[in-house]
Amino acid sequence: GENVEQHPSTLSVQEGDSAVIKCTYSDSASNYFPWYKQELGKGPQLIIDIRSNVGEKKDQRIAVTLNKTAKHFSLHITETQPEDSAVYFCAAKDDYKLSFGAGTTVTVRA
Amino acid sequence: DGGITQSPKYLFRKEGQNVTLSCEQNLNHDAMYWYRQDPGQGLRLIYYSQIVNDFQKGDIAEGYSVSREKKESFPLTVTSAQKNPTAFYLCASSMGTGRTDEQFFGPGTRLTVL
Repeated sequence: GENVEQHPSTLSVQEGDSAVIKCTYSDSASNYFPWYKQELGKGPQLIIDIRSNVGEKKDQRIAVTLNKTAKHFSLHITETQPEDSAVYFCAAKDDYKLSFGAGTTVTVRA
Repeated sequence: DGGITQSPKYLFRKEGQNVTLSCEQNLNHDAMYWYRQDPGQGLRLIYYSQIVNDFQKGDIAEGYSVSREKKESFPLTVTSAQKNPTAFYLCASSMGTGRTDEQFFGPGTRLTVL
């Protein structure tokens, strides 16, 4: 089955700086890679996703890159703001199932 | 939370009791899922359903049961056979189970066994 590893587990950044979270996956058949943001006590919210026929996707301050050869994908948040503080999860989809990374707790310092 | 509701938000159960968590969606999605979330871990799939009256076990189905009698509803029962049921439970839905179908999550139910 698919195995997704996510790094780092915690990330503290100064407001205005960039944050980068990296994930690797094991199953070369996976072709859909979403990123979720989860605030305390709430369900995860899809913030951006990328499909395997695309190398990069951007949505305002958030971008995701995918390297299928190396089986890794990354989330980039620029100009971080206090409201970006949350837990972020990457995932990879193989057939019907999403396999999740363990999560990254991002703290944006004012 | 995109049209997916879960109830209750908090649930307390005594050891040895079964308890049922509710999940309803009004997105007209065919597929529904139940995940379990423990501190410091990613989400793990308990059960999923691609269509009414059909469901399959996920990675950690032992001690859980589900039903899918209506398209909108996918209740999860945590039985007394589940050894460590205290966790945050998340329901999700998607249009189908195709490889690029987006999954949307509900707000979750936090279950605590006393």
